[in-house]
Amino acid sequence: SQKIEQNSEALNIQEGKTATLTCNYTNYSPAYLQWYRQDPGRGPVFLLLIRENEKEKRKERLKVTFDTTLKQSLFHITASQPADSATYLCALDTGSQGNLIFGKGTKLSVKP
Amino acid sequence: NAGVTQTPKFQVLKTGQSMTLQCAQDMNHEYMSWYRQDPGMGLRLIHYSVGAGITDQGEVPNGYNVSRSTTEDFPLRLLSAAPSQTSVYFCASSYSTGSSYEQYFGPGTRLTVT
Repeated sequence: SQKIEQNSEALNIQEGKTATLTCNYTNYSPAYLQWYRQDPGRGPVFLLLIRENEKEKRKERLKVTFDTTLKQSLFHITASQPADSATYLCALDTGSQGNLIFGKGTKLSVKP
Repeated sequence: NAGVTQTPKFQVLKTGQSMTLQCAQDMNHEYMSWYRQDPGMGLRLIHYSVGAGITDQGEVPNGYNVSRSTTEDFPLRLLSAAPSQTSVYFCASSYSTGSSYEQYFGPGTRLTVT
C-alpha cells in the first residue's frame, strides 16, 4: 500500500538557522507533492507544490526539493524565525481528482 | 470571501446519537472533501466529491454519509456515533490548476463521543 513518512515527529532549531524537514514515500509515483503548514487548533494551509519534473521550487524563505529516484522531498526554511514554529505536513497528490495522502507531520520549534 | 466554513466548532455526542457536520465554501470550487485527524495518524480522507451530485469514499468511510446537492455545501453525517469517531474533522475544497489540486481547509470541528 502507499506509504508516506515524515522522518521526524519534532525538530528543534535555533532562530536564524535553516530547518530541513524530510518526506519519504513508497509504493507510489506521484506526479505532484504538496507541503502544508498547520498551527494548533487550525486547519492546514497550503504552502508549496512541486511537480515530478521539477528538482526544486522556491517561495521567499521556503525551498522544496523533489527526488523521484530517492522517493524523497526535502522542505527547507532558511533564516528561521520563532513565527515559523508549527507542524508541517507533506502530501502526495494521487492524481485521482484531488485526493491527497498526508504524512503525519513534523512539529518544528524555532527557539529565539 | 469567507473561504471554507465549518460548524459547529466543538461537539459532544453520546454513543448512538446522530449529527451532521456542516461545511460550506464560497470560492466556487468543484472539489470538496472531509478528513479526520487523530494523534499519531495524520489526516485521513473520509469522503470526497468532485462536483454537485457526485460523491465517493475515501480511506476511512465507514460510519459516515455525505451528499452534495449544491456546489457550496458538503455536509458529513454520523448516523450512530461511536467513541472511535472522536476526532478533529476538517473539510477542504479545491480546484484544478490544470495540474494539481491545492486544498483550502476549514477551521475544523472537534468531536467527542462518550
